[in-house]
Amino acid sequence: QQQVKQSPQSLIVQKGGISIINCAYENTAFDYFPWYQQFPGKGPALLIAIRPDVSEKKEGRFTISFNKSAKQFSLHIMDSQPGDSATYFCAASNIDNTDKLIFGTGTRLQVFP
Amino acid sequence: EPEVTQTPSHQVTQMGQEVILRCVPISNHLYFYWYRQILGQKVEFLVSFYNNEISEKSEIFDDQFSVERPDGSNFTLKIRSTKLEDSAMYFCASSDPGFVSNQPQHFGDGTRLSIL
Repeated sequence: QQQVKQSPQSLIVQKGGISIINCAYENTAFDYFPWYQQFPGKGPALLIAIRPDVSEKKEGRFTISFNKSAKQFSLHIMDSQPGDSATYFCAASNIDNTDKLIFGTGTRLQVFP
Repeated sequence: EPEVTQTPSHQVTQMGQEVILRCVPISNHLYFYWYRQILGQKVEFLVSFYNNEISEKSEIFDDQFSVERPDGSNFTLKIRSTKLEDSAMYFCASSDPGFVSNQPQHFGDGTRLSIL
């Protein structure tokens, strides 16, 4: 019940295209859903996050869509660039659990020029 | 921009030896975490630490593991007797309390631990 399922495992997108990564969870106590971006040899870096009281959050080219009833959330990267090539992790946390992050399995995104 | 720093970047240790991984969290942060990432797998929670005590620990964090905040700036993870399966990337993270929970966790670049 603590799992966060992420798909796809890998994604290849042409420059300028839209990258979409999906995550699903089961624990309805989760109330914070961040996305982290990780480049090789680096730690995860917070990209964007959402709480379940909104259905969408947009920051620049990055948008989170959140469907509370389906217990799903997704990351959309508009106008994907080669510099976006990285591994993306969705995560979830529960306010009652000292905010430990439960990570998805990761998506390796490659954007080709 | 303030960042979490971890040392060393790579640690090679013989099986059965003790190892200490060091972290300097962001200075005004009060919540500290250790996570690990086995090569090619997801990031897994190990332990959270607040007010000089463990808040929560995962099943992975057994008696071989301990954490300590020896002074006002460092946060350490000790593995007493390392096993081959401890080989992984270990990430330290910190967050500030804010007025509500779920403040963003900021991660260091990790220590790659290799057990021979």
